[in-house]
Amino acid sequence: DQQVKQNSPSLSVQEGRISILNCDYTNSMFDYFLWYKKYPAEGPTFLISISSIKDKNEDGRFTVFLNKSAKHLSLHIVPSQPGDSAVYFCAASAGNTPLVFGKGTRLSVIA
Amino acid sequence: GAGVSQSPSNKVTEKGKDVELRCDPISGHTALYWYRQSLGQGLEFLIYFQGNSAPDKSGLPSDRFSAERTGGSVSTLTIQRTQQEDSAVYLCASSLMWAGTDTQYFGPGTRLTVL
Repeated sequence: DQQVKQNSPSLSVQEGRISILNCDYTNSMFDYFLWYKKYPAEGPTFLISISSIKDKNEDGRFTVFLNKSAKHLSLHIVPSQPGDSAVYFCAASAGNTPLVFGKGTRLSVIA
Repeated sequence: GAGVSQSPSNKVTEKGKDVELRCDPISGHTALYWYRQSLGQGLEFLIYFQGNSAPDKSGLPSDRFSAERTGGSVSTLTIQRTQQEDSAVYLCASSLMWAGTDTQYFGPGTRLTVL
């Protein structure tokens, strides 16, 4: 039973446009959400996070939105750059439980 | 400072053999985690260590899997009698403390192929 779902395995966006990556979760106990970015042959790197007490967190070109009622979060990248091409994982935790990861979305930013 | 390192980077083994995967966490990090990523799947939690506390082994898929952490630093993940379904990338991560909000820093992973 997947508690964290990333329903789009891949996404292509033109350079300069907005990339929107989506994530849905089923466990209402999740209270902390993270996005990790992974390049080939490297480990995931932390990108941005959001606590359940917020509905938005922004860091430069990256913004994460949380809709608790819909159990949905999204990562917005604007403007998208070719170096953003990677696999993006959504993850969630409930208190001090281990992180639960989605299957990832492969983003391709086309120059 | 150095990040999380893992060795070997690639391991090919025959079905039925035992393998050991090593993780060197970031110095000073008290929490260490093992995950695996099978083809087309997300990261699957296996086990974590926090300081001197008993490890949380709730994610280990079978009793063929075990892990230890010596001296609160280096960790070894051992898979006995490997099976083809064990083929995956095994990732290690560490964080300063154990907390759901603490950033985990990942190593590059060990790609295990069981023939």
